[in-house]
Amino acid sequence: GAGVSQSPSNKVTEKGKDVELRCDPISGHTALYWYRQRLGQGLEFLIYFQGNSAPDKSGLPSDRFSAERTGESVSTLTIQRTQQEDSAVYLCASSLSWTGTDTQYFGPGTRLTVL
Amino acid sequence: EDQVTQSPEALRLQEGESSSLNCSYTVSGLRGLFWYRQDPGKGPEFLFTLYSAGEEKEKERLKATLTKKESFLHITAPKPEDSATYLCAVRLPNTGNQFYFGTGTSLTVIP
Repeated sequence: GAGVSQSPSNKVTEKGKDVELRCDPISGHTALYWYRQRLGQGLEFLIYFQGNSAPDKSGLPSDRFSAERTGESVSTLTIQRTQQEDSAVYLCASSLSWTGTDTQYFGPGTRLTVL
Repeated sequence: EDQVTQSPEALRLQEGESSSLNCSYTVSGLRGLFWYRQDPGKGPEFLFTLYSAGEEKEKERLKATLTKKESFLHITAPKPEDSATYLCAVRLPNTGNQFYFGTGTSLTVIP
């Protein structure tokens, strides 16, 4: 079976432009997470979705960041008016359920570079 | 205040030289401690989950242990293919499904 996939793998953009990152979770996984990983730093929680429940957006760093997920399928993370400090690898993970005890499976990430 | 601290930041071992990586946490009511391996340019790969002090889990040359304040990832007779960054994460109480990750230990095993 396919794992978590993310696209694009790399994205270079100019400061001030909007970007959209995509995550395809493992089929049947109800929970989906977005993380940011800056160079030399640990993973930073951004947001998580569980089925049709309201997402936990408490990790989003500013109102320029937003994410959507339709049901238990694809999720998109949008960053508006990108800044240089947004440069990082954005990782998506999915797990079978929301309990948090289930294993999170990560995608390969999208490397975002803001010039 | 840092919730999760990993040490050392980097570790170089000769092939066959056993060692341990440390993950310490400063919270109570832990709802799971997770170990991941991350290769360059890839997402983290799950290794172990530990839930209670005294618990141990093994996989090939790796063994993870948990106490009330820290976890160790023991690597026995490592091979060059064990070279990677090892991340630990904790799931904290009363934070829904937020996982807090350490900054990782970069392990290099020299042939």
